[in-house]
Amino acid sequence: EVQLVESGGGLVQPGGSLRLSCEASGFSFSRHEMHWVRQSTGKGLEWVSAIGISGDTYYSGSVKGRFTISREDAKNSFYLQMNSLRVDDTAIYFCARDVAPGGLSTRMDVWGKGTTVTVSS
Amino acid sequence: QSVLTQPPSASGTPGQRVTISCSGSSSNIGSNTVNWYQQFPGTAPKLLIYSNNQRPSGVPDRFSASKSGTSASLAISGLQSEDEADYYCAAWDDSLNGSGVFGTGTKVTVL
Repeated sequence: EVQLVESGGGLVQPGGSLRLSCEASGFSFSRHEMHWVRQSTGKGLEWVSAIGISGDTYYSGSVKGRFTISREDAKNSFYLQMNSLRVDDTAIYFCARDVAPGGLSTRMDVWGKGTTVTVSS
Repeated sequence: QSVLTQPPSASGTPGQRVTISCSGSSSNIGSNTVNWYQQFPGTAPKLLIYSNNQRPSGVPDRFSASKSGTSASLAISGLQSEDEADYYCAAWDDSLNGSGVFGTGTKVTVL
C-alpha cells in the first residue's frame, strides 16, 4: 500500500524547534519530489516546502530562513526542521508526494494524515 | 507570498452545475499547470484534477476543469450531496526561486 506517515508534531514554545518526519512506503521514494503543506485550524491550505529528487530545496516566504527540508532516501524518509517557531506556525502539517513527470509541481497524489504542531507559551 | 484567489463559497441544489474560479498571475497559472484538490473536514486533501483538466482514476466525470491565461476554473455538474467540501486550486510559481501556491479555497454547499 502506498502510504505516507508523519510524526514529530507537538507543543513547543515560541522560539523553539521541532523536527517533523515523513516516512514513505509502497513506492520508490527516491524517484519522487516531496512536499510539506500546512493548514491552520479553520483556514486554507498553505504550501510550505518541497525537495527535489536531487536534494534541491524550495520554501515559502513565510518559512524561508527558519525551516529546512531534507531527505534520506535510504530510510524512505524526508524531514522538516523547524526553528524559531512562531505562534502563526501552529497548524496541521501534511507531507505529500509529487507525481508530475519532469520536476516539481503541485500535483500531489498521496498525502499523509498530518501531524499537529502547536506553538504556544 | 503569492496566493491564488478563489471565491470563499459556492452553492447549488442537487443536479445543478457549480463553477469555481481561480485567479493567479503570469508567474504561476500563466506559466504552469493547475491542479485542484477536494478536502472534507478533518481529512487530508485529495487530488481531484491535475494538469489543468485531467481526472485521476476514480474521480467522477462530473468534475471538469479548464485554464485560460492566468485563470482557471473547476466545474461540478450534476451536483451531489457528497460533493459538499472545500476545493482548492494549486500551481507552481516561478518567481524568485520557485514555490508552490494554493488558492484561498472555496466551500461548496449543496442546498
